[in-house]
Order: sequence, then structure tokens, then C-alpha cells
Amino acid sequence: DTGVSQDPRHKITKRGQNVTFRCDPISEHNRLYWYRQTLGQGPEFLTYFQNEAQLEKSRLLSDRFSAERPKGSFSTLEIQRTEQGDSAMYLCASSLPGYTEAFFGQGTRLTVV
Amino acid sequence: KQEVTQIPAALSVPEGENLVLNCSFTDSAIYNLQWFRQDPGKGLTSLLLIQSSQREQTSGRLNASLDKSSGRSTLYIAASQPGDSATYLCAVEEYGNKLVFGAGTILRVKS
Repeated sequence: DTGVSQDPRHKITKRGQNVTFRCDPISEHNRLYWYRQTLGQGPEFLTYFQNEAQLEKSRLLSDRFSAERPKGSFSTLEIQRTEQGDSAMYLCASSLPGYTEAFFGQGTRLTVV
Repeated sequence: KQEVTQIPAALSVPEGENLVLNCSFTDSAIYNLQWFRQDPGKGLTSLLLIQSSQREQTSGRLNASLDKSSGRSTLYIAASQPGDSATYLCAVEEYGNKLVFGAGTILRVKS
């Protein structure tokens, strides 16, 4: 499978716990994006990496959220002290340089109880 | 701030019908527009990408047009099939390489 891979697909956690998600982009794509999608809405931009550099973060990304892409390959998104409002689908996408087609993974569905 | 609106929010049609989904955006300073399909509980599948300098793109039964100056795009689906049932999302790419999405059109094709 050469598409964008996300793990886990589903995560149920108790409020206050920390969670971490992983994204493996398409191998030759140097750009990686995280989006969040709530029910009935389109995805909203969270953050964007070019290689290992995090170039932009949305105001949606509070200080409880952190994303890394240590070697310019896979990326992790960590949410600390989860809240019920964090329940959503977290989507990862990757693309080649320039304004090119973005390819999305299957997402991680987070439920905070 | 860029805003993307999709009309209608939901659409139910009989199999075989041709249909049009609409997308509008408020800021014409975009680099491209992309149409996606999303099945329930799944990720997004890219359908068509239209660069800002292009007017339309076609893939099989799908045709997407872009009128950048008026801030509009349409996705035309010919001879709809039950397997086309999904949510269709349009997104514009702005400076900074981020996509701004509409809320989607939920399509149901009845057999």
C-alpha cells in the first residue's frame, strides 16, 4: 500500500489522558498536513510540515496539541489532557512540493469519554 | 478569511440521473481547487484537482469546472450510480499550502 497511512484508526480515551497519533505519508511527499473534522463539517487545517520543519500552525492548535516530524518522514500528533471537545476525526494528508494534489489517509477517530 | 460554501447540503436522486454539485468561495486568490469524496467514517479520496489557470478537469463520469473570478466551481456527475453515494467536499488551496473546505454535499443515489 503506497497511500497515506494513519494509526490507530480508532481511539477511545478518558478525559484528561494523553493520546498520540501517527501518520506515514506517501514516501516521496515532502509536505505533510494535519486536519481535524467534526461531524457534519469539512476538515479544518491544524498544522503543516515541509520535510521536518513545521511551517504553520492554526489557532485551533492549542498548547495541549503538539505535532512533530522528526526525520521528515512520519509525523505524530499528540494531545495532552484530552477534553470532550477534542472528539473528532483527525486526518493526515501529504503532497509534493508546489500547489499539487493532496492525498489523505483514512483518519483516526478519537472519542473522549 | 476564506469561506467555502457548498449547495445543496444534501441531495437524493434516482439512479441514472445527471447531477450538479455547487461550490462557492469568497476570496478568488486561490492556487487550485480540489474535489474529494468521503464515505461514512472514512478518509478523503481525491477526485479532481483544477489549477487556478484551468477552467475544467474531467475524469470518467466526473467533470469539474472553475470560474475563479466569480468564486464558483461545479462538479458534474453523469449517469449517477448507487456507488456514487457519499459526501462530496470541495476545498480551495490558499497561500501557505493549506486547504479550506466546505461542509460538503451528502449525495444519495437510489437504485
